[in-house]
Amino acid sequence: QQQVKQSPQSLIVQKGGISIINCAYENTAFDYFPWYQQFPGKGPALLIAIRPDVSEKKEGRFTISFNKSAKQFSLHIMDSQPGDSATYFCAASRSSGRRALTFGSGTRLQVQP
Amino acid sequence: ETGVTQSPTHLIKTRGQQVTLRCSSQSGHNTVSWYQQALGQGPQFIFQYYREEENGRGNFPPRFSGLQFPNYSSELNVNALELDDSALYLCASSPWTGGRSDTQYFGPGTRLTVL
Repeated sequence: QQQVKQSPQSLIVQKGGISIINCAYENTAFDYFPWYQQFPGKGPALLIAIRPDVSEKKEGRFTISFNKSAKQFSLHIMDSQPGDSATYFCAASRSSGRRALTFGSGTRLQVQP
Repeated sequence: ETGVTQSPTHLIKTRGQQVTLRCSSQSGHNTVSWYQQALGQGPQFIFQYYREEENGRGNFPPRFSGLQFPNYSSELNVNALELDDSALYLCASSPWTGGRSDTQYFGPGTRLTVL
């Protein structure tokens, strides 16, 4: 059972463009939604995270938009740079009890110079 | 302050063998989670340890077992290895302060290949 669905599977963006990755979740008990960035041969690194009591969170060039009623959230990367080329994973978890992260399937982003 | 470290980096085993993977959590973190990441997939939760006790388990068979030590380091043991166990095994530590969003910090992983 895939509880977090992520799209697109891959994305090619020109330098300076906007990269948009979308995720949808099923479990309404989820209340913590982080995004991770993973480079080849490395572990995932936290980029930015949001809780459902806000609809948007911005940190530098990275913005999360959250739609609680639709059970969807997205990552926007503004002014995309070649160094942003990596695989991005959305995830979700509960704040109580077992706080296991449920990950999406990943989006491979390539930013062309 | 050191981050999460894992050993070994790479490992090759044959089907039926047993393997032990190790993780040192980030300083001050009392919770360790293990994830399996197959090639081209997102990480899948195996189990979590909090203060040396298992605190939840994902959909993995009992041949996947773990330990957490008093210094909060951890081991993942896999018995009777199968070809499908070939994956990147990730350890993540978090500070479980009772806060609403205790971030999990991942190590670089151990790449296990089962032949």
